[in-house]
Amino acid sequence: DAMVIQNPRYQVTQFGKPVTLSCSQTLNHNVMYWYQQKSSQAPKLLFHYYDKDFNNEADTPDNFQSRRPNTSFCFLDIRSPGLGDAAMYLCATSRGQGWETQYFGPGTRLLVL
Amino acid sequence: AQSVTQLGSHVSVSEGALVLLRCNYSSSVPPYLFWYVQYPNQGLQLLLKYTSAATLVKGINGFEAEFKKSETSFHLTKPSAHMSDAAEYFCAVSAGGTSYGKLTFGQGTILTVHP
Repeated sequence: DAMVIQNPRYQVTQFGKPVTLSCSQTLNHNVMYWYQQKSSQAPKLLFHYYDKDFNNEADTPDNFQSRRPNTSFCFLDIRSPGLGDAAMYLCATSRGQGWETQYFGPGTRLLVL
Repeated sequence: AQSVTQLGSHVSVSEGALVLLRCNYSSSVPPYLFWYVQYPNQGLQLLLKYTSAATLVKGINGFEAEFKKSETSFHLTKPSAHMSDAAEYFCAVSAGGTSYGKLTFGQGTILTVHP
């Protein structure tokens, strides 16, 4: 089945230690999104790629970076995680138009010690 | 600019009762509207979406929603709740054009279903 895969499902890191979360898709969608969802809150868009074009949300901290080496993979890098970065990180994909469905992966829950 | 307001962070119903989850939106352009469901520690799954065709939209698992432009609402309903419907539900709005499908989510409504 075509899908969005996120690894790992759970990630524990130390305060200030860089961490990378990964996302892959078999849907061949143009757009890949990264959302941050803190406990009991709505998902918040961090950034997205339309093909190779990177689009950062205005309020996304510089501590968060992303890479998309090819259509299938996208990575979220947190350069110096703080305690406030503990959250569920959701990857999603779509064909890119406003009416298109976004397909979400199962998420990676990040714990910062 | 777009925004979504979900009225009621928690809704509790008995099994077999009507489910009504409320969503109001604000959008400067004709909106596309979505309902997603999230089970604990999982990603979001699309229930249904409105894309300017029929105003009454039917989705998976017996859910439906009606787009009412005059009320700027897109409430989610299900005639008879099932225990498996217990989850968190998010309403979201998207604009067209060059937004690349950026979704703005409401704060979510947790649905509890009692036996």
